[in-house]
Amino acid sequence: GQSLEQPSEVTAVEGAIVQINCTYQTSGFYGLSWYQQHDGGAPTFLSYNALDGLEETGRFSSFLSRSDSYGYLLLQELQMKDSASYFCAVRDNAGNMLTFGGGTRLMVKP
Amino acid sequence: SAVISQKPSRDICQRGTSLTIQCQVDSQVTMMFWYRQQPGQSLTLIATANQGSEATYESGFVIDKFPISRPNLTFSTLTVSNMSPEDSSIYLCSASQESSYEQYFGPGTRLTVT
Repeated sequence: GQSLEQPSEVTAVEGAIVQINCTYQTSGFYGLSWYQQHDGGAPTFLSYNALDGLEETGRFSSFLSRSDSYGYLLLQELQMKDSASYFCAVRDNAGNMLTFGGGTRLMVKP
Repeated sequence: SAVISQKPSRDICQRGTSLTIQCQVDSQVTMMFWYRQQPGQSLTLIATANQGSEATYESGFVIDKFPISRPNLTFSTLTVSNMSPEDSSIYLCSASQESSYEQYFGPGTRLTVT
């Protein structure tokens, strides 16, 4: 079966750095995505890693280690607007279908 | 990118009835998907809506309960049939291009079954 594990909640202060980890067990693997979802909003795409290493997009970076079936999302210079749920998702086939993790609720405090 | 709208945004329905949710994309897309999400929970893929052919359903979801249409490259519908309170959830439509790993999501339809 497919499973993705990520922490359910993380709390950090404004300006800090936070790392959200994701471990996965899937029958196939094409890549790992991260999505952000604010309360009552739609999930929005943040990043995608198909190969090992770090991808940086502004304040957000995402890392993948395929040999460890592990990835993380790194958020720097946290802002209050970063308070949201963050989902890792595995693309386990060529058809773009995604299996989502349980989500990590990030609370940023002043 | 693609902008996705869904109708209705929310509805309250009686058990035993059916509701059809519409998903409209502002540009032609290769792939469309339907997800279910309980508030505060993860997203679960219901099915892939295939243009011109029957939808592909994930384990635990069947066509009789969740019939899906996709008449063209910009539009899809999901029907929740013979509803029960357990069907109360947020239903999300998403779309992507075959060449892209990025999925664009609609705002969701919040369904409450009484």
